[in-house]
Amino acid sequence: DSAMTQSPSTLSALVGDRVTITCRASRDISTWLAWYQQKPGKAPQVLVYEASRLQSGVPSRFSGSGSGTEFTLTISSLQPDDFATYYCQEYSAVFGPGTRVEMK
Amino acid sequence: EVQLVESGGGLVQPGGSLRLSCAASGFRFSSFWMSWVRQAPGKGLQWVANIKPDGTEIYYADSVRGRFTISRDNAKNSLYLQMNSLRVDDTAVYYCARDIVWGPGSLVTVSS
Repeated sequence: DSAMTQSPSTLSALVGDRVTITCRASRDISTWLAWYQQKPGKAPQVLVYEASRLQSGVPSRFSGSGSGTEFTLTISSLQPDDFATYYCQEYSAVFGPGTRVEMK
Repeated sequence: EVQLVESGGGLVQPGGSLRLSCAASGFRFSSFWMSWVRQAPGKGLQWVANIKPDGTEIYYADSVRGRFTISRDNAKNSLYLQMNSLRVDDTAVYYCARDIVWGPGSLVTVSS
């Protein structure tokens, strides 16, 4: 079975910081990867699909990159609304354990 | 517009059964892999199962294999999840998903 890992598990940052989250797949998944943001009590919202395509309506400060087994989600300048938990997912399959972005 | 709507959730006792349904619209249902995803209270997202467009390939998470059965009816544009031998730790919001498109979710509570 495939597996996804994420690092870090928790990230403490300030508004305006550049933030990078890494996701690693246990097998080559090409670019079949999505990133989700979830806030407490809310359903997850997709940010990036096919590893690097920004979902409509998502601010341009979010970007995704990578292929094969290593992927990154970058927030170029962290905003107050971005404090949340982020998950990567191989399409229609396993999720990473999540990265909680908290205020430093 | 792509839409997925789950139904069938509710309260069930440990050891009981429940069947979730997902009504799909706005796309050619018979052409897409479909999956079920869940999230237990305070926990992360967990993939549960997925099924090939024609139903000939099915995969399950280890935690549900042998207890849950995913199926689909392409003529009815519907996805199903039959859940048997339910445990307290199956309590979660269950989402029907097509790639990155999810339904609003259906709450399943397993409790005595």
